[in-house]
Amino acid sequence: NAGVTQTPKFQVLKTGQSMTLQCAQDMNHNSMYWYRQDPGMGLRLIYYSASEGTTDKGEVPNGYNVSRLNKREFSLRLESAAPSQTSVYFCASRTRVVGGELFFGEGSRLTVL
Amino acid sequence: GNSVTQMEGPVTLSEEAFLTINCTYTATGYPSLFWYVQYPGEGLQLLLKATKADDKGSNKGFEATYRKETTSFHLEKGSVQVSDSAVYFCALSEDSGGSNYKLTFGKGTLLTVNP
Repeated sequence: NAGVTQTPKFQVLKTGQSMTLQCAQDMNHNSMYWYRQDPGMGLRLIYYSASEGTTDKGEVPNGYNVSRLNKREFSLRLESAAPSQTSVYFCASRTRVVGGELFFGEGSRLTVL
Repeated sequence: GNSVTQMEGPVTLSEEAFLTINCTYTATGYPSLFWYVQYPGEGLQLLLKATKADDKGSNKGFEATYRKETTSFHLEKGSVQVSDSAVYFCALSEDSGGSNYKLTFGKGTLLTVNP
């Protein structure tokens, strides 16, 4: 059972470089999310896609873009990486029911030098 | 907007001690409440949940009761084990037809259990 799969798991970038984090889920979920996790800050929502064809900003969207490629895939792009974007990124998905469980990927650790 | 406040850690206990991690929330409607756990090097996974007032969620010896009058969802376990060492996150979601089913998380509480 794959669940939510993120790639890459680790990445080191130089300031100004761009990269895309890929995420795919095989649970037929409508909603997908990108969070970042920083020490002492918990999880903060970057962008989400409530359903295929829609995307919306979360709490900390600046410096990021997203694409909901299809129902399975939701990518996060850093156009010009900054040291402040050093973080662990989690993709997650859930179905749109009351109390539905949010399923997480294993995380992508990004370091921007 | 919605928010979750949970007790700051770290929390260090001896094996078989009683655990309480406090969580209070602010929401405009009637949210679903969750506790997630994150073991070292892993993603988050659901520990338990409650979807309406007075519901009790339970799993692996952990319990939490949805208290609307005090807007709280405190996590408890009667006897912790070394294997319970992890970061615990309280979260809420306003799940209704017009919502976007987003989860809002607290900052997390690191629990260390010593043998």
